[in-house]
Amino acid sequence: GENVEQHPSTLSVQEGDSAVIKCTYSDSASNYFPWYKQELGKRPQLIIDIRSNVGEKKDQRIAVTLNKTAKHFSLHITETQPEDSAVYFCAASNTGGYQKVTFGTGTKLQVIP
Amino acid sequence: DGGITQSPKYLFRKEGQNVTLSCEQNLNHDAMYWYRQDPGQGLRLIYYSQIVNDFQKGDIAEGYSVSREKKESFPLTVTSAQKNPTAFYLCASSIGGSAYNEQFFGPGTRLTVL
Repeated sequence: GENVEQHPSTLSVQEGDSAVIKCTYSDSASNYFPWYKQELGKRPQLIIDIRSNVGEKKDQRIAVTLNKTAKHFSLHITETQPEDSAVYFCAASNTGGYQKVTFGTGTKLQVIP
Repeated sequence: DGGITQSPKYLFRKEGQNVTLSCEQNLNHDAMYWYRQDPGQGLRLIYYSQIVNDFQKGDIAEGYSVSREKKESFPLTVTSAQKNPTAFYLCASSIGGSAYNEQFFGPGTRLTVL
């Protein structure tokens, strides 16, 4: 089955700096890669996703990049703000057959004002 | 935040007892999922269901059971066979079985075995 590794497990940045979270996956058949954000005490919510036919996707201060050859994808947050502090999960899935989503272990991001 | 609910928020169980966690959604979603969240281990899939009366084991199904008799409901039973049941349990749903679809999560149930 799919295995998703996520690094780092914790990340502290100064407000206004950029943050990068990296993930690798094992199943070359995976073709969809969502990112979820879980604020303290709240439920995870989708913030951005990317499909395998796209190399990069941006949404305001957030961007994701995908390297299919190397089987890794990354989340980039620019101009970080205190409200970006949360746990971020990457995930990978194969949309064929019984599609299930495999999550990474999470990155706790702390933005220091 | 509405649309998918879990109850109770906190649950305490004596060792050796079975317990059932509730998950209900009014989003008319076909697919529903149960995850277990432990510190440092992310979200691990327990069971998932693409349609009514059908469900599949996830990565850590041992010691758990589910049913999907109604589209709106996907209860999870933690049995006494689950060796380490203390955890935070999240239910989710998506509009269809395609993994392209966003998963919407419930608020979670924190289970503690005494």
